[in-house]
Amino acid sequence: GAVVSQHPSRVICKSGTSVKIECRSLDFQATTMFWYRQFPKQSLMLMATSNEGSKATYEQGVEKDKFLINHASLTLSTLTVTSAHPEDSSFYICSAQQEEVAQYFGPGTRLTVL
Amino acid sequence: QKEVEQDPGPLSVPEGAIVSLNCTYSNSAFQYFMWYRQYSRKGPELLMYTYSSGNKEDGRFTAQVDKSSKYISLFIRDSQPSDSATYLCAMSSNAGKSTFGDGTTLTVKP
Repeated sequence: GAVVSQHPSRVICKSGTSVKIECRSLDFQATTMFWYRQFPKQSLMLMATSNEGSKATYEQGVEKDKFLINHASLTLSTLTVTSAHPEDSSFYICSAQQEEVAQYFGPGTRLTVL
Repeated sequence: QKEVEQDPGPLSVPEGAIVSLNCTYSNSAFQYFMWYRQYSRKGPELLMYTYSSGNKEDGRFTAQVDKSSKYISLFIRDSQPSDSATYLCAMSSNAGKSTFGDGTTLTVKP
C-alpha cells in the first residue's frame, strides 16, 4: 500500500514555457501533500505544503507565483512551474501523508529547461 | 546549527557487514522518527517509522531512538550490494512537515 505516482517522470521544455507535474496517491487519501526539489547529491528541499481545498503554504524563498500548487482532491496535487528557466532545472519530488506522520514519496520528475 | 545532523559519509562496507547510520537532533519536541532509502534518481522510500524512544526491527533493519540523547540510528545487518543507496533520517513533532537530514550515501561492495 501507500503508493504515490508522479507524471511525467521526465520533461524537457524550452525556456519561457510552463510545465505541470501531477502527484497522485493511488491507494489512500492524502490529507497533506508536499513538494520538494532536489539538486544532485543534495538533500530534499521542501518547497511547499498543500492541503486539499486550501492554499498551499510555501517555504521561505520559494516564489508562489512561479511554482503554482493546486490540491484539487484528496488524491491529486499539481505543481506548475511557470515561465520556466534553465535555473529551474531540477528533480522535483512530491510526497503524500495520511493521518500519520510518515510521508510516502513519488518517484520524482526530472525537469530540464533548455 | 541545523535541527537535524546526519553523519555525512560516504560510507563503504564489504558485503555482510553491519552498518550503522546515525542522526542527532536538537528539537526536543520531535516524537516521530523515520528512515528513508533513496536510490539514485528515484524518490525516497520509507523504511522505518517509529514513535518515541525504543527499538523497532524489520527484517535486517533495526531503528533505534534515544530521546534522552537526541540520537537515532538505523542498523543494517548482513548488508547487501542492493542496500547501496542514500539513507535519509527524518523527524517530526506532529502530523505536519518533517525535518530531514542531509543523507548518508552507503556503498556495499560485493
